[in-house]
Amino acid sequence: EVQLVESGGGLVQPGRSLKLSCAASGFTFSNYYMAWVRQAPTKGLEWVASITNSGGSTYYRDSVKGRFTISRDNAKSTLYLQMDSLRSEDTATYYCTRERYNYFDYWGQGVMVTVSS
Amino acid sequence: DVVLTQSPATLSVTPGERISLSCRASESVDTYLHWYQQKPNESPRLLIKYASQSISGIPSRFSGSGSGTDFTLSINGVELEDLSIYYCQQGNSLPRTFGAGTKLELK
Repeated sequence: EVQLVESGGGLVQPGRSLKLSCAASGFTFSNYYMAWVRQAPTKGLEWVASITNSGGSTYYRDSVKGRFTISRDNAKSTLYLQMDSLRSEDTATYYCTRERYNYFDYWGQGVMVTVSS
Repeated sequence: DVVLTQSPATLSVTPGERISLSCRASESVDTYLHWYQQKPNESPRLLIKYASQSISGIPSRFSGSGSGTDFTLSINGVELEDLSIYYCQQGNSLPRTFGAGTKLELK
């Protein structure tokens, strides 16, 4: 059974940093692209970043480019999202997803990030 | 960026009826259009991929159609457990984008 378990969320002040983790199990992690998708409170879904199976290529939405870094450790079957220079508009539930070509076939339970002073 | 416009924003339904939800793209996405269901306080789950391809474990009452810019998600015989928000997503180009969602509520 595919499982994606996020951790690392919490309350952080604007301008500070936070690192999310996603522990994957139930599939061969190194064979799949992975992605982060977020959802602001009472809002819709928004793709944040994707990473290829090897970690050799990464892709970001413009609003997080230069502030967020997606990475992975295939030996640990873990996906990361380093978030720097956080802004209030980054407040959201962040979902770890398995990306299959161009859609998201499995989702974690989500982790809440609140950016507020 | 490809903008996906979903309509209606909210749909009031009666159990047993057949309904259709619309997703319109600002430019052609071929059939790289996928549908997700999000129940209250749950994570989204994939319902339909590539506009019309079924997903293992998803009830057969869910079906999709369309190509290019106009897409439809149909539910043949709505059940109470289908009261959720439905999102479309395009995978034809980066950034991946989602529609704003259609909320199904009980009439």
